[in-house]
Amino acid sequence: GIQVEQSPPDLILQEGANSTLRCNFSDSVNNLQWFHQNPWGQLINLFYIPSGTKQNGRLSATTVATERYSLLYISSSQTTDSGVYFCAVERSNDMRFGAGTRLTVKP
Amino acid sequence: KAGVTQTPRYLIKTRGQQVTLSCSPISGHRSVSWYQQTPGQGLQFLFEYFSETQRNKGNFPGRFSGRQFSNSRSEMNVSTLELGDSALYLCASSADRAHEKLFFGSGTQLSVL
Repeated sequence: GIQVEQSPPDLILQEGANSTLRCNFSDSVNNLQWFHQNPWGQLINLFYIPSGTKQNGRLSATTVATERYSLLYISSSQTTDSGVYFCAVERSNDMRFGAGTRLTVKP
Repeated sequence: KAGVTQTPRYLIKTRGQQVTLSCSPISGHRSVSWYQQTPGQGLQFLFEYFSETQRNKGNFPGRFSGRQFSNSRSEMNVSTLELGDSALYLCASSADRAHEKLFFGSGTQLSVL
């Protein structure tokens, strides 16, 4: 099956800093999504982005499908951004999640 | 619009028992998919139902099964529980899973003793 790697596994930031999270995948995909899991376990969809660039407030994402990676940018981070960020890809109805990046934003 | 509702929030069972989890999707969503999250294996796709039919299935044993009703509500059943089935079980709904954003419920935390 398709392999999904996220980096870095852990990230600690001071409030106000910017960060870039990466998701690499081993084969072409027809679906890619980014999620944020808050400390209470709730998964929130951030972006549905199989290709191209999207922005939503302080967050933006870019997927370069031909090079098999996606980036999630968080600007001016806030303590509420803490949690785990997952990317999930899908190919031929086979859906796989990365192991996640655990982000801690300190006040 | 109400979100995805999962019940119960917590469950404690013993080995060998069976369990049924429930998921009510966002109104109008026809796709309901289920996921297992454990510290060791991370997030894994279990299966998806669309218009009462199982459309896709992950790599899980036959002890894991599900169904979807005509109102799109879905249930997941795990029979002959094993200790390794302890996990957070999440369901998500979407208009069409393969092509649309997923919206997750809060999950059911299952502990098998």
